[in-house]
Amino acid sequence: QSVLTQPPSVSGAPGQRVTISCTGSSPNIGAGYGVHWYLQLPGSAPRLLIYDNNNRPSGVPERFSGSKSGTSASLAITGLQAEDEADYYCQAYDSSLSGYVFGTGTKVTVL
Amino acid sequence: QVQLQESGPGLVKPSQTLSLTCIVSGDSISSSSYYWSWIRQPAGKGLEWIGRIYSSGNANHNPSLKSRVTISLDTSKNQFSLKLNSVTAADTAVYYCARGPWPGPFDDWGQGTRGTVSS
Repeated sequence: QSVLTQPPSVSGAPGQRVTISCTGSSPNIGAGYGVHWYLQLPGSAPRLLIYDNNNRPSGVPERFSGSKSGTSASLAITGLQAEDEADYYCQAYDSSLSGYVFGTGTKVTVL
Repeated sequence: QVQLQESGPGLVKPSQTLSLTCIVSGDSISSSSYYWSWIRQPAGKGLEWIGRIYSSGNANHNPSLKSRVTISLDTSKNQFSLKLNSVTAADTAVYYCARGPWPGPFDDWGQGTRGTVSS
């Protein structure tokens, strides 16, 4: 049961900029907990892309960036590349669950 | 660099218990400052957090799974385990183990293991 809502799909041409929204509520994003983003290729485990709203682990290209405001967060991909075609998930801690919640997932398609 | 590897029987009958193990290398589960979690993903669907355990042995799970979940540590083998009882077809999924700080992200993931519930 996903508590964070994402658009099912977004698409863009190579080189374009796309954004993915992640809408939560008071016990999770709105409580001040960091939002994290993962990329998942078909048949593979998710891979951390952005942590604590806007930080990139080493090795993640600068064209991936994150932001957060209120009870929502966003992931932006600039200079879209064919290799970016994947599923993307947001995630945060939820104090009402004393656990973690994931977004519903967004499929990015490169046209 | 930490590595996680899931293992366990791939097929379980309805009403039985699904038992999975995550073998950890590159970090000590008994002294780590990280939490160790289980996450699952039904085919074609999103990710669901199942539960977590800390080095102290304190564990908690997703309330949606009610009391069907048990997570435990085996410090002698540096591994942690998941038991999900009274399974149904709805529990069929790829199961991942993962490591992460609180309340931070899941930094490291296993490759996943498929658990199928079928008679």
